[in-house]
Amino acid sequence: EADIYQTPRYLVIGTGKKITLECSQTMGHDKMYWYQQDPGMELHLIHYSYGVNSTEKGDLSSESTVSRIRTEHFPLTLESARPSHTSQYLCASAKGSATADTQYFGPGTRLTVL
Amino acid sequence: GQQVMQIPQYQHVQEGEDFTTYCNSSTTLSNIQWYKQRPGGHPVFLIQLVKSGEVKKQKRLTFQFGEAKKNSSLHITATQTTDVGTYFCAALTGFQKLVFGTGTRLLVSP
Repeated sequence: EADIYQTPRYLVIGTGKKITLECSQTMGHDKMYWYQQDPGMELHLIHYSYGVNSTEKGDLSSESTVSRIRTEHFPLTLESARPSHTSQYLCASAKGSATADTQYFGPGTRLTVL
Repeated sequence: GQQVMQIPQYQHVQEGEDFTTYCNSSTTLSNIQWYKQRPGGHPVFLIQLVKSGEVKKQKRLTFQFGEAKKNSSLHITATQTTDVGTYFCAALTGFQKLVFGTGTRLLVSP
């Protein structure tokens, strides 16, 4: 079982609030990812990182930001939440090898913005 | 960007019936991965295919990679209720990112 954690698991907040979704992994993986997934739908990559101080935007435009100050930590921040941000956010990590790696997913954060 | 389509979107079978989901890309893939997501859960890695024409088996699951490396399939023999979930294929892009397919949701009735 992968050691990747996300908090909170569920979050209900009002419009305009600033929130940070936490993601931590204890596997020493270089690569980390954030995906957005609506119920029953496909995963959309919104941010990724190849290592400390590396962050890139994904394929789906997102108003969120990320940081990678430590290898094990990859938090996602929404400065001003809106109802359109309601979704499930999945964090994943993978080793930093040259070829495709298995991605290990955290349990996800289900966000509801009222 | 690269797109990976899966069919069918949804399938409902009786326990004991077989199930197949297909993954198609318009471009040649370097490899393909398969993940399973249980209802309310997160995706879990099943397998990776790399070689043209490759076939791999995991108990009742058979994975294939097409000869042209543009398509892949997952076949489940004699489904069980524990097979319920959404099955995603995922293709590696040139930037070491995975592009996930649209997913096939499987429902198995006892």
